[in-house]
Amino acid sequence: DTAVSQTPKYLVTQMGNDKSIKCEQNLGHDTMYWYKQDSKKFLKIMFSYNNKELIINETVPNRFSPKSPDKAHLNLHINSLELGDSAVYFCASSQDSASGAYNEQFFGPGTRLTVL
Amino acid sequence: AQSVTQLGSHVSVSEGALVLLRCNYSSSVPPYLFWYVQYPNQGLQLLLKYTSAATLVKGINGFEAEFKKSETSFHLTKPSAHMSDAAEYFCAVSPSGTYKYIFGTGTRLKVLA
Repeated sequence: DTAVSQTPKYLVTQMGNDKSIKCEQNLGHDTMYWYKQDSKKFLKIMFSYNNKELIINETVPNRFSPKSPDKAHLNLHINSLELGDSAVYFCASSQDSASGAYNEQFFGPGTRLTVL
Repeated sequence: AQSVTQLGSHVSVSEGALVLLRCNYSSSVPPYLFWYVQYPNQGLQLLLKYTSAATLVKGINGFEAEFKKSETSFHLTKPSAHMSDAAEYFCAVSPSGTYKYIFGTGTRLKVLA
């Protein structure tokens, strides 16, 4: 069973289009994340949801909008795609921990977005 | 602000040689520290984590890391490199009490036959 899954795995689209990436986790975790990995492998957090509530919202253009219909799903919608949005987008999840104990993250396989 | 520095974006070792990947963090209090590995075209997998239980942490695939508070370091080592170890390695810090991860810039390990 796949723990964290993402669809699609590859996404090629034209500038100006709107696209969505979906993420699902079957680990029973409370927290989910979206990361962007650029061509130099730099990994940057974009958003995080805990029990469907947005808890991390880094400096990301408002063309990016996350949505969490339930705690097992976190989708990423991108409007008006730009060339600079080309990257690999990773979804991750972790167990909630009110005490702040280690919150190991489990990553999905990534979605490679190419904007032409 | 918390940060993570990985020295050396590329490291090459011969098969069978010692692997040493460096990670330093900046934090006012010891955070939780992690090493992740990313194989080509895959997501990240956890290698090991430091959560203050023990300073020497053993992970999967023969890797280990030692937390040194005085040096604010969490270097990753493996006594004998294998060809299958070739991958990108990321050090990450998670400040205690937060959900946030801060990743280093990664080190690409190349293993030479």
